[in-house]
Amino acid sequence: SAVISQKPSRDICQRGTSLTIQCQVDSQVTMMFWYRQQPGQSLTLIATANQGSEATYESGFVIDKFPISRPNLTFSTLTVSNMSPEDSSIYLCSVDGLFQETQYFGPGTRLLVL
Amino acid sequence: GQSLEQPSEVTAVEGAIVQINCTYQTSGFYGLSWYQQHDGGAPTFLSYNALDGLEETGRFSSFLSRSDSYGYLLLQELQMKDSASYFCALNTGFQKLVFGTGTRLLVSP
Repeated sequence: SAVISQKPSRDICQRGTSLTIQCQVDSQVTMMFWYRQQPGQSLTLIATANQGSEATYESGFVIDKFPISRPNLTFSTLTVSNMSPEDSSIYLCSVDGLFQETQYFGPGTRLLVL
Repeated sequence: GQSLEQPSEVTAVEGAIVQINCTYQTSGFYGLSWYQQHDGGAPTFLSYNALDGLEETGRFSSFLSRSDSYGYLLLQELQMKDSASYFCALNTGFQKLVFGTGTRLLVSP
């Protein structure tokens, strides 16, 4: 299994500002994913980040709002830009596991936008 | 697109057996996964069905019927620590997961 850490674990931000969330894995992985989860709700995939290529965004999510970096095989960042209260959510990164069907999730970043 | 529906909440007592259902709509998928998430925690992988039938992993079993667009997670010998949210998820390719609405399981003594 992979051990994943995220920074920050939580933050309170003002509307109009941006926050960059970091995701660090203890081993090299091919694919990293970013999800959003509103409290008590399901997870929604934002984008897939592969090293050496542009991130692939899901319907409803755009690069200008959620720019993603993937500089190497153990690290990725997600930026939430020009935040509004509707961006208040938990943001989780995940990585592909040894077996295709498994994903390992980070502990999440709890974001509150005022 | 894809959609997965689950009951919002299920309650049971310690030692009992509980089944969490998942019905889905999709044009195609590779398999159905199940994840457990405790309050404030990260989702953790429980089980995966690539083919129709039952997969058993300890106290947890998962079932898939592609013809019925239906799956379920079966938890046996329930323990208090099983109180959590459970999500089914479709693997739609390139390891992308589309998650269900989630079921909150409450286990009482």
